[in-house]
Amino acid sequence: QVQLKETGPGLVQPTQTLSITCTVSGFSLTSYYMQWVRQTPGKGLEWMGFIRSGGSTEYNSEFKSRLSISRDTSKNQVFLKMNSLKTEDTGVYYCARERTEGIGRYYFDYWGQGVMVTVSS
Amino acid sequence: NTVMTQSPTSMFISVGDRVTMNCKASQNVGTNVDWYQQKTGQSPKLLIYGASNRYTGVPDRFTGSGSGTDFTLTISNMQAEDLAVYYCLQYNYKYTFGAGTKLELK
Repeated sequence: QVQLKETGPGLVQPTQTLSITCTVSGFSLTSYYMQWVRQTPGKGLEWMGFIRSGGSTEYNSEFKSRLSISRDTSKNQVFLKMNSLKTEDTGVYYCARERTEGIGRYYFDYWGQGVMVTVSS
Repeated sequence: NTVMTQSPTSMFISVGDRVTMNCKASQNVGTNVDWYQQKTGQSPKLLIYGASNRYTGVPDRFTGSGSGTDFTLTISNMQAEDLAVYYCLQYNYKYTFGAGTKLELK
């Protein structure tokens, strides 16, 4: 069955880089877009970006050049890297699979459990 | 950026109530809106996609409606297991979540 699981560091110091891995099973990364969404006390649920089934990416401009999403299809893994972390980046980070139905219908049908990240010195 | 404004922020409800919550987009998003339910300590779960299409396995007491800028999620005959925060998401241009409507027991 479809499963997604995020793994990450838990605690990151301000100005450092966050790296999170989303490991998936039950489907191929070459058939679906993979999304990253975070949930912070300050901004609630916030779309961060995605990687298309073909491997290209798109990002929320709020993260400017801090964010990078990549993948390793041979390992069924999607990666999020964000640099220059601030305390307000503290929150839960989720990966989610995006499905398309019909023409123009998109939705996030499977989500990982999320990984809590605390940015603190 | 398209802002999604949800109202009310919270609602105190009783089991059996009919619950209506709203989501207003700052610009026309067609029917490119999904609704998600998030229970405490869990990931969001898809309820409604394309404004009015119930996702597989979602009870028929959940109904989505609307188009353009105004969207509604209705829960008829509220159940205790429906206590959660509900979020709308637009995907007409990039993606934007609303701030959520929290359902609490009276």
